[in-house]
Amino acid sequence: GAGVSQTPSNKVTEKGKYVELRCDPISGHTALYWYRQSLGQGPEFLIYFQGTGAADDSGLPNDRFFAVRPEGSVSTLKIQRTERGDSAVYLCASSLSGVGETQYFGPGTRLLVL
Amino acid sequence: LAKTTQPISMDSYEGQEVNITCSHNNIATNDYITWYQQFPSQGPRFIIQGYKTKVTNEVASLFIPADRKSSTLSLPRVSLSDTAVYYCLVGSTGTASKLTFGTGTRLQVTL
Repeated sequence: GAGVSQTPSNKVTEKGKYVELRCDPISGHTALYWYRQSLGQGPEFLIYFQGTGAADDSGLPNDRFFAVRPEGSVSTLKIQRTERGDSAVYLCASSLSGVGETQYFGPGTRLLVL
Repeated sequence: LAKTTQPISMDSYEGQEVNITCSHNNIATNDYITWYQQFPSQGPRFIIQGYKTKVTNEVASLFIPADRKSSTLSLPRVSLSDTAVYYCLVGSTGTASKLTFGTGTRLQVTL
């Protein structure tokens, strides 16, 4: 079956602009995670959804970052007033029903803020 | 948080067994250990998970001593395609934010 997909694969924007990154999890997976990965570093946890609700958003760096999952499937990570330091690969993962299960990752969205 | 420590890099020849050790001195009773593999421009991919003793699947083995303060991922007879970054994670089922990846181990396999 289809894996986790993310769009766009690459996004170039200017400092101060707003961006949206989309994640389509594996069908039927109720748990969804967002991570950010900088060059040479491991993925850094941002937020975890269980169904439609954000069960753990402790990794969001500041209030410019926000994520939604209104119908419990597709999720959108939103970044306002982008800064050059936001440049990274944003990874999405899903698991069947919760934390502790195998996470299936998408290919990521490479964000470059000029 | 159960911080993990891994070697930054390792080199191996094709056909050899590779063992990558992860230290996690502050592992909690409910924590399990998971290893992921990541190729360039791809998301991490699950390899193996365990709680104690030994776990084996079709691609790797995971050895966890009785004190659980470390774990060793064993890759038998590596090939060039095993060149990747390997991450050790320690966490429990309760808290997603505890699943920290660390910087991983970059394995380079050559002929």
